[in-house]
Amino acid sequence: NAGVTQTPKFQVLKTGQSMTLQCAQDMNHNSMYWYRQDPGMGLRLIYYSASEGTTDKGEVPNGYNVSRLNKREFSLRLESAAPSQTPVYFCASSEIEVDRGNRERNTIYFGEGSWLTVV
Amino acid sequence: GNSVTQMEGPVTLSEEAFLTINCTYTATGYPSLFWYVQYPGEGLQLLLKATKADDKGSNKGFEATYRKETTSFHLEKGSVQVSDSAVYFCALIPFFGNEKLTFGTGTRLTIIP
Repeated sequence: NAGVTQTPKFQVLKTGQSMTLQCAQDMNHNSMYWYRQDPGMGLRLIYYSASEGTTDKGEVPNGYNVSRLNKREFSLRLESAAPSQTPVYFCASSEIEVDRGNRERNTIYFGEGSWLTVV
Repeated sequence: GNSVTQMEGPVTLSEEAFLTINCTYTATGYPSLFWYVQYPGEGLQLLLKATKADDKGSNKGFEATYRKETTSFHLEKGSVQVSDSAVYFCALIPFFGNEKLTFGTGTRLTIIP
């Protein structure tokens, strides 16, 4: 069981270049997410997808687009790389668990991260 | 809105010391609470979680208790090791509505031999 897999792990881009980060999960989760991690800022949500074929903007969507073509995969596209887009990117997926009180709860599983450098 | 406030780092401790990383939250209802850990050069990993008041999450010697009365979820470990050096993130998911995690800013922990 690979969990959440994202690629590439490292990438160097020139300013203005575009690129796509790929993410796949094998846990049959409905919900998938893309986060960015900036120093001192914690994680911020870029986009999320509650189910196949649907996507919604998160806290910081500008400069990005996403695609959820099937249940397994959720890609993130950087339209034009800028030095400000060099945080670490994390893909995630989540499942709903039912606790003993019959309440639904979510746990989110993360990929290993993608480190981008813009030159 | 929802928010998570974490103890500011960095935190430096000697091996075998007692660890506490404070986390308090603001949310309506009964959120689920999480601690995630990020080891150097790696992605985030779920460390432990608690889904209702007075629940205690535990893993790898770490513990955190969901305190509704103080809106806190402090992370503790009785005897830290060098291998515990990492960044620790407190997070919540609200009980109602969307599924988005709200994260704290992270606390960098360094353990010296």
